[in-house]
Amino acid sequence: GAGVSQSPSNKVTEKGKDVELRCDPISGHTALYWYRQSLGQGLEFLIYFQGNSAPDKSGLPSDRFSAERTGGSVSTLTIQRTQQEDSAVYLCASSPRARQPQHFGDGTRLSIL
Amino acid sequence: DQQVKQNSPSLSVQEGRISILNCDYTNSMFDYFLWYKKYPAEGPTFLISISSIKDKNEDGRFTVFLNKSAKHLSLHIVPSQPGDSAVYFCAASANTGNQFYFGTGTSLTVIP
Repeated sequence: GAGVSQSPSNKVTEKGKDVELRCDPISGHTALYWYRQSLGQGLEFLIYFQGNSAPDKSGLPSDRFSAERTGGSVSTLTIQRTQQEDSAVYLCASSPRARQPQHFGDGTRLSIL
Repeated sequence: DQQVKQNSPSLSVQEGRISILNCDYTNSMFDYFLWYKKYPAEGPTFLISISSIKDKNEDGRFTVFLNKSAKHLSLHIVPSQPGDSAVYFCAASANTGNQFYFGTGTSLTVIP
C-alpha cells in the first residue's frame, strides 16, 4: 500500500515569503506528526494530530508556524514570512494510533535564500 | 534541552562484526523506546522497539537492550552487513504525553 507522501520534495524560496508543505498520511492512521531536522540535528517535534482531538502544538517554534489537518487525513504545514533559520528538512509521520511506531514520509527540503 | 542523547556521531564496523549503537536519556518518565534507520534523502524507517517492562527485545539480527537504572539503551546488530550503513536514531516517549523525543543520530558505516 501507499506510504506517507509529502510534497513538494524540495522547495527553494526567498526570505519573507510564505510556504505551504503537504502531507498525505497512510489511510486509516489517526495520529500524524510533523518534525523538523536541521543540519546535524535530530528530529525536532513540531505538532501532533490525533483523530478529532485538539492538536498538540507545543513544538511549534513561533507563531509564524501553523498546521491543519482536514477531515482527519491530509495535513498542511504553513510557514509565514520565512526566515533563513527555517531552512531544514520537514518530515511528516503517521501511525495507526498514538504512541505507536511511526511511518515517515521522505520529507520536504526547504531552503530559504 | 536534549532529553535523548546519542553521543557518538559516527561508527565504523567491519562486515560480519557486531555494531553497537548507544543512546542515553534523562527523563525517568520515558517508558517506550524505538530505533529508526535512515538512508540519505529518505524518511526514517522503524526498526525495533522496547517497552520499559522489558530489558531486551530481539528481532533477527537486531537486539535492543534497556538499562533503566542507567537510563541507557543500546542497539546491537550482528552480523553487520554493508546494507546496514545508515543513520540510526533512537527515540523515547512517556505515557504522559504524545511526543516522541529523538536523538541526533549515529551514522553507521559497515566496511565490506
